[in-house]
Amino acid sequence: AQSVTQLDSQVPVFEEAPVELRCNYSSSVSVYLFWYVQYPNQGLQLLLKYLSGSTLVESINGFEAEFNKSQTSFHLRKPSVHISDTAEYFCAVTRMDSSYKLIFGSGTRLLVRP
Amino acid sequence: DAGVIQSPRHEVTEMGQEVTLRCKPISGHDYLFWYRQTMMRGLELLIYFNNNVPIDDSGMPEDRFSAKMPNASFSTLKIQPSEPRDSAVYFCASSLDRGGSPLHFGNGTRLTVT
Repeated sequence: AQSVTQLDSQVPVFEEAPVELRCNYSSSVSVYLFWYVQYPNQGLQLLLKYLSGSTLVESINGFEAEFNKSQTSFHLRKPSVHISDTAEYFCAVTRMDSSYKLIFGSGTRLLVRP
Repeated sequence: DAGVIQSPRHEVTEMGQEVTLRCKPISGHDYLFWYRQTMMRGLELLIYFNNNVPIDDSGMPEDRFSAKMPNASFSTLKIQPSEPRDSAVYFCASSLDRGGSPLHFGNGTRLTVT
């Protein structure tokens, strides 16, 4: 079975500072990896995903994540955050084979302060 | 595309009453998922369908919960009888039948059982 661990429940950071949200996964088979973002009173939205190819993937709003197979990690980074990045971020994993069952981590609340 | 549509947005009911949550997935999506989100347990997958057929309902808490998908454009999640511990935000999501396809979430139904 797959599992996802997000070690930090909340990450406070000042505006324009860099941030890293950590994600580690466990799986006996190859997986796809995702980051989703949830703004207040909304559903989750896909931020970025790793399916194959380059281990560094980027989103349109400046976030990036790097797949590290040896460390089973998929940490999310942004070099300079904005107030509008304040949200909850979820790391998720699903098997590459026929299962479409997405397993989510517990989430990390990013709080950007002015 | 209107995205995944859930109704109602908020539901307040008394313990023992029947509750029905509704979901309209994105047209053309073959998979439909029901998730529950609480502070204590995070995001839990309750059940998912492929081409209107339930594939995995191992996450359904107990027999009080049931889900149906009578056609490709509609699904319901029913709780009967409801209990205060069922209070949560319930999300519906849909995706294409393609490995690595992201989930598209609705805005959720906030259920409060008093």
